[in-house]
Amino acid sequence: NAGVMQNPRHLVRRRGQEARLRCSPMKGHSHVYWYRQLPEEGLKFMVYLQKENIIDESGMPKERFSAEFPKEGPSILRIQQVVRGDSAAYFCASSPPPGTSGSGELFFGEGSRLTVL
Amino acid sequence: QKEVEQDPGPLSVPEGAIVSLNCTYSNSAFQYFMWYRQYSRKGPELLMYTYSSGNKEDGRFTAQVDKSSKYISLFIRDSQPSDSATYLCAMKKGVQGAQKLVFGQGTRLTINP
Repeated sequence: NAGVMQNPRHLVRRRGQEARLRCSPMKGHSHVYWYRQLPEEGLKFMVYLQKENIIDESGMPKERFSAEFPKEGPSILRIQQVVRGDSAAYFCASSPPPGTSGSGELFFGEGSRLTVL
Repeated sequence: QKEVEQDPGPLSVPEGAIVSLNCTYSNSAFQYFMWYRQYSRKGPELLMYTYSSGNKEDGRFTAQVDKSSKYISLFIRDSQPSDSATYLCAMKKGVQGAQKLVFGQGTRLTINP
């Protein structure tokens, strides 16, 4: 039973380039969350998505960041024109639909570590 | 002021010691409380999940919540070197299933053999 899969695990980009991070939720999970972890800090909520629908993006920076979870395929977090301050670990998590067994728990992937040179 | 405050440590104790990890919070709307363990270069994994004041025990781990003081704790008994990790408290408002968690900074714990 595969867990939450994230790729790439490590990504290096130069300032001004684009970064695309992908996340496949656990089997049977229809809800995906993205969190960002800066060095020596806790995780910060970014966005919550269902298939083809953004539920809550209150933690997303207003510019350059976008997320999607298409009907087919993984969820993607996209960062355009990256800057050094975007260097962080980006974690994806998934959960079962609300009201189902285990819906109170988030399962995290191992993260994608972005380094901006 | 941060919504959730957690001493970042680092905390280093000998094997077998009782470890106490703590978080305070400022928003009384938080209703659900969690502790996550994060090994280096890995994702967080859920250790404990509670929603009421009081104690919840699971093996060597005990989670304690005091909503009146806005204070939560995680106790680890008979600590082992394999417990060495960063421990993150997390909490959320609202109904189950809406997982917009607010995390503490994390406490880095080392258990020395």
